[in-house]
Amino acid sequence: NAGVTQTPKFQVLKTGQSMTLQCAQDMNHNSMYWYRQDPGMGLRLIYYSASEGTTDKGEVPNGYNVSRLNKREFSLRLESAAPSQTSVYFCASSDPGLAGIYEQYFGPGTRLTVT
Amino acid sequence: DAKTTQPNSMESNEEEPVHLPCNHSTISGTDYIHWYRQLPSQGPEYVIHGLTSNVNNRMASLAIAEDRKSSTLILHRATLRDAAVYYCILTQFSVNRDDKIIFGKGTRLHILP
Repeated sequence: NAGVTQTPKFQVLKTGQSMTLQCAQDMNHNSMYWYRQDPGMGLRLIYYSASEGTTDKGEVPNGYNVSRLNKREFSLRLESAAPSQTSVYFCASSDPGLAGIYEQYFGPGTRLTVT
Repeated sequence: DAKTTQPNSMESNEEEPVHLPCNHSTISGTDYIHWYRQLPSQGPEYVIHGLTSNVNNRMASLAIAEDRKSSTLILHRATLRDAAVYYCILTQFSVNRDDKIIFGKGTRLHILP
């Protein structure tokens, strides 16, 4: 199993450009998440999807859109990139189960720089 | 959401035990205590979780205070590979299955050779 994969690993954008970050998991998990991590900070939740066909806002959703394409894939789109979106982006997945006990599995991250 | 408080950083010598503290004085009865760690340039990884009883796994042990207002992650014999940021997180079962978890800044653990 590859676990959670993310593409690309690195990206440099100019202000105003758009791009989509891709995430896929092969663990048959229902829930998927997008986080950002700024230097020296913890992770902040951008959007999450509790199941295929549903998405919800997290702590910092402004400037982003998401698509849960199918159970495996969850993409994050920046429509008009801004320097404040320079960050490392992590995708994660989990399957909480009835008891709510779960582990989140994280991808390797995408390092995005907006100039 | 209940919050956790952790020291910003800690140091330990290689091959010695490490005790990483976490305070969560506003924990509710249904909150689970999770620990994740983040190695340099990697995504976070799950370490251990518990509810009321102490827990052991191959990576670490989790000691939970009787009143559940604090917990301690124990690495029994630290190696250089254990240098990471350790996050103590409270999670709660949601009937909507929107199982968000909130990461704080965590504790940066330095291991001295």
